[in-house]
Amino acid sequence: DTGVSQNPRHKITKRGQNVTFRCDPISEHNRLYWYRQTLGQGPEFLTYFQNEAQLEKSRLLSDRFSAERPKGSFSTLEIQRTEQGDSAMYLCASSLASRGETQYFGPGTRLLVL
Amino acid sequence: AQTVTQSQPEMSVQEAETVTLSCTYDTSENNYYLFWYKQPPSRQMILVIRQEAYKQQNATENRFSVNFQKAAKSFSLKISDSQLGDTAMYFCAFMKQGGANSKLTFGKGITLSVRP
Repeated sequence: DTGVSQNPRHKITKRGQNVTFRCDPISEHNRLYWYRQTLGQGPEFLTYFQNEAQLEKSRLLSDRFSAERPKGSFSTLEIQRTEQGDSAMYLCASSLASRGETQYFGPGTRLLVL
Repeated sequence: AQTVTQSQPEMSVQEAETVTLSCTYDTSENNYYLFWYKQPPSRQMILVIRQEAYKQQNATENRFSVNFQKAAKSFSLKISDSQLGDTAMYFCAFMKQGGANSKLTFGKGITLSVRP
């Protein structure tokens, strides 16, 4: 069990550029979540997948954000036309629904939009 | 909608002493889970302890224990024999049990500093 991994760990981009983050969950986990955390705050839910199906999206997830989990394994989160307000830590977590829902988090991707 | 409140932004404790972190929540659900997560300065979120709402017995994990008061909607974390490695942000989180909605709702967190 190698844990949840995320790439890249850090991303600096200019306003208006597109960025994509990747999350690899724990291998047998069927649920995958994305959260956003700004400095000094708790993580806020963005979206989650069960296998390849995206089951819920937060109102925080504007139409510039899109997430996929094409084969029910890794997931990508893309932000188009980035804005300075998108600067945050993007956290991925995974869980196995049959094991009581505990979510295990990755190290996060820190995004800075200049 | 669920809300989680952590009203203490910062706490400090002497090494080897005991500290209690407070958390209250609001929900109309009867079946749910509560969690405490730790986020050290390296930023990776680590599960500390978990409590199922249907269990009356308070969860314990080594030096960490909770005081779960369902009627009062209170879920505090007690850290005994504090260690320097306990220095971190601690987040209380709520999750509804069952169904398709399994997202975590977090409080704002508390920064705990352990003094040598």
